[in-house]
Amino acid sequence: DGGITQSPKYLFRKEGQNVTLSCEQNLNHDAMYWYRQDPGQGLRLIYYSQIVNDFQKGDIAEGYSVSREKKESFPLTVTSAQKNPTAFYLCASSERGSGETQYFGPGTRLLVL
Amino acid sequence: KQEVTQIPAALSVPEGENLVLNCSFTDSAIYNLQWFRQDPGKGLTSLLLIQSSQREQTSGRLNASLDKSSGRSTLYIAASQPGDSATYLCARTDSWGKLQFGAGTQVVVTP
Repeated sequence: DGGITQSPKYLFRKEGQNVTLSCEQNLNHDAMYWYRQDPGQGLRLIYYSQIVNDFQKGDIAEGYSVSREKKESFPLTVTSAQKNPTAFYLCASSERGSGETQYFGPGTRLLVL
Repeated sequence: KQEVTQIPAALSVPEGENLVLNCSFTDSAIYNLQWFRQDPGKGLTSLLLIQSSQREQTSGRLNASLDKSSGRSTLYIAASQPGDSATYLCARTDSWGKLQFGAGTQVVVTP
């Protein structure tokens, strides 16, 4: 059953803590993306990767970091430098990263304690 | 700054009525235009993708048009059903595959 999985569904962060959101795909897609969604707003691009061991900053990369060591995995770390991390985080993938359809995971909701 | 705007922000219609959702963008040099559906607390589901060389795409009761000269795309949903209730988002894509989203139109179809 092909698709994108994200875990956990809910994540709580304490002050000064780094947390990591997981994203895995078994679609054999080259490109992967991380988006942030705030209430009543569209999605904003955090980071994207078009190939293993390479990634690029999106529009709101400050306070976030990523890695792409394997084709199927693209974890996102929300660092303590991100002062307003409460949001819904969505991971997506596409076949080549050249404008074709993107497929989305179910999302992770991050809340600050 | 390139922007994507969706009007209205919310829409309520009785079951059976046709839905018309609007999306406008400031940069006509788009690579393609995508429409997505999002249910509350869920990820996005791709509905239609219109390439820049195309004028429309159809899938079942859904039809999306693209007019690059005016910077507009319209999503039509025929004979709406309560199951069509969701938020609909449009996104323009640049040649690097990066999506720029509108804020969405929240649709409620009442039985």
